[in-house]
Amino acid sequence: NAGVTQTPKFQVLKTGQSMTLQCAQDMNHNSMYWYRQDPGMGLRLIYYSASEGTTDKGEVPNGYNVSRLNKREFSLRLESAAPSQTSVYFCASSDLNTIYFGEGSWLTVV
Amino acid sequence: AQSVTQPDIHITVSEGASLELRCNYSYGATPYLFWYVQSPGQGLQLLLKYFSGDTLVQGIKGFEAEFKRSQSSFNLRKPSVHWSDAAEYFCAVGQMNRDDKIIFGKGTRLHILP
Repeated sequence: NAGVTQTPKFQVLKTGQSMTLQCAQDMNHNSMYWYRQDPGMGLRLIYYSASEGTTDKGEVPNGYNVSRLNKREFSLRLESAAPSQTSVYFCASSDLNTIYFGEGSWLTVV
Repeated sequence: AQSVTQPDIHITVSEGASLELRCNYSYGATPYLFWYVQSPGQGLQLLLKYFSGDTLVQGIKGFEAEFKRSQSSFNLRKPSVHWSDAAEYFCAVGQMNRDDKIIFGKGTRLHILP
């Protein structure tokens, strides 16, 4: 019963490096999301995808790109990482009733 | 634009005391409302949700919340807190069958005094 799986769980990047956070869900959900969580800021929506082939900006999209590769997978890319992107990233998916979260990815940019 | 406000950043209550965490929202239509809890270093767990119908909803761990349309509020309550309730609580608003954007508040950290 995997639910929402995101990788990697931990990553340290140097400023300017690029990386992709991977997310996959096995619940056949149409909607998927990427959030970042920072102390005192709650969860802020970076991008979301209401269905395969569509993506939309959330509250804090700058510095990120996303790809909805298929119905299962929704990846988040940092093209040139900055220290301000040090955060915990959560992927999520939803049916019409509930949002299901992954376990989080801890990213540090030095 | 939709938004969620949790006015209290920190709340401290004594074990056994009652609890109310406030949540106010802004949304253009009938919202879907959620409360999530997060223990330190952990993921998010759904406590309860409101879509329609009875405005008082029951959740897990003895929590309940009341939807008040006139006040744009969805406050979380528990009659008697336990030390294990110490965590961060997040309110969220959205509507899954429309634009599918779910927005969270900044959270309220709950501290429990023994």
